[in-house]
Amino acid sequence: NAGVTQTPKFQVLKTGQSMTLQCAQDMNHNSMYWYRQDPGMGLRLIYYSASEGTTDKGEVPNGYNVSRLNKREFSLRLESAAPSQTSVYFCASTESEVRWGDQPQHFGDGTRLSIL
Amino acid sequence: AQKVTQAQTEISVVEKEDVTLDCVYETRDTTYYLFWYKQPPSGELVFLIRRNSFDEQNEISGRYSWNFQKSTSSFNFTITASQVVDSAVYFCALSEAVGSGGSNYKLTFGKGTLLTVNP
Repeated sequence: NAGVTQTPKFQVLKTGQSMTLQCAQDMNHNSMYWYRQDPGMGLRLIYYSASEGTTDKGEVPNGYNVSRLNKREFSLRLESAAPSQTSVYFCASTESEVRWGDQPQHFGDGTRLSIL
Repeated sequence: AQKVTQAQTEISVVEKEDVTLDCVYETRDTTYYLFWYKQPPSGELVFLIRRNSFDEQNEISGRYSWNFQKSTSSFNFTITASQVVDSAVYFCALSEAVGSGGSNYKLTFGKGTLLTVNP
């Protein structure tokens, strides 16, 4: 029962470096999401993908790119990391074809990213 | 835009006390869903409950209960006889449509309430 798997769990980068956060789900969900969690801010949506081959911006997309590689995988890329991107990143998935957003999102365990 | 407010930033109680976590939301939608998630110190997010806007019945699950009042736009969460294992950050969230098609949704989260249950 893996659910949503994120890798890596921890990462330290230097300003300007690039990296990709990986996310995979095994629940056959269509919709996938990337959130970031900052102290006192709750979770904020970065990007989402309603289905394979589609991606859309959320609240805070600047500085990020995403790829929906296939139905299972949704990656988040930081092209040139900045200290403001230090955060905990969560990937989530949910059943699609929902009409009223009634399905809970299932979250991965998060990736703690520090940018020096 | 929709908004979720959790006015209590931190709550500290002694074990066995009852505690209520407040959640107030704003939305223009007539149909919407509210959620509570728990984030223990280990960091993962655990889904607790979902409630739709048409169902104002209170829900009880063991020591947990939820009071949804549409008239006051509130969806409060009560833990009865709290235990140390209940110590966590609790998030209230509202499902919000995104994109132009109207069939995609994101969660708008409150900022969370840190609950500490002391032995």
